[in-house]
Amino acid sequence: AQRVTQPEKLLSVFKGAPVELKCNYSYSGSPELFWYVQYSRQRLQLLLRHISRESIKGFTADLNKGETSFHLKKPFAQEEDSAMYYCALANDYKLSFGAGTTVTVRA
Amino acid sequence: NAGVTQTPKFQVLKTGQSMTLQCAQDMNHNSMYWYRQDPGMGLRLIYYSASEGTTDKGEVPNGYNVSRLNKREFSLRLESAAPSQTSVYFCASSLAGGPNEQFFGPGTRLTVL
Repeated sequence: AQRVTQPEKLLSVFKGAPVELKCNYSYSGSPELFWYVQYSRQRLQLLLRHISRESIKGFTADLNKGETSFHLKKPFAQEEDSAMYYCALANDYKLSFGAGTTVTVRA
Repeated sequence: NAGVTQTPKFQVLKTGQSMTLQCAQDMNHNSMYWYRQDPGMGLRLIYYSASEGTTDKGEVPNGYNVSRLNKREFSLRLESAAPSQTSVYFCASSLAGGPNEQFFGPGTRLTVL
């Protein structure tokens, strides 16, 4: 069965410090993975997807099939990065979401 | 374009009452979804509709029913609300299923007393 695990519920970093959000998955096929973000008072929205291999708002995520991970990284956190982040795995017509990580960036 | 809209934004029910959450999208998307968001549990899929005329159970379907009224609209019904259904409910849509980006509505905050 597919599963997405985000081990950190809360993450607090200082502005300008690196931030890494962990995501591990279990899936028998070839995974399609995403990061979604929910800023305060805004809708949940797609941040990035692994197949596009792009950097969005300074964030990158690399799929590591050996470690079954898709960690989200940003070298220099900004206050506007404070949000709830969800890792998600696509399967057929569905997305399976992790429990989410709330990131707080302190000045 | 309004994207995905949901009504109502807030609702308080008493145990045993029924209600329907409405969702509509104006992006001509084929697939629509209902999730619930609970602290520490992330988003869990309740039901989804891969295309007009089809609906399928997700991870937590018990206590809910859905109707894909047409391509635009996908409603979620609670027949007899229970306190365990207190949650924030999100509707989403995508062009098709699988690895396509899902677009989310603003959510409905439901409290069952």
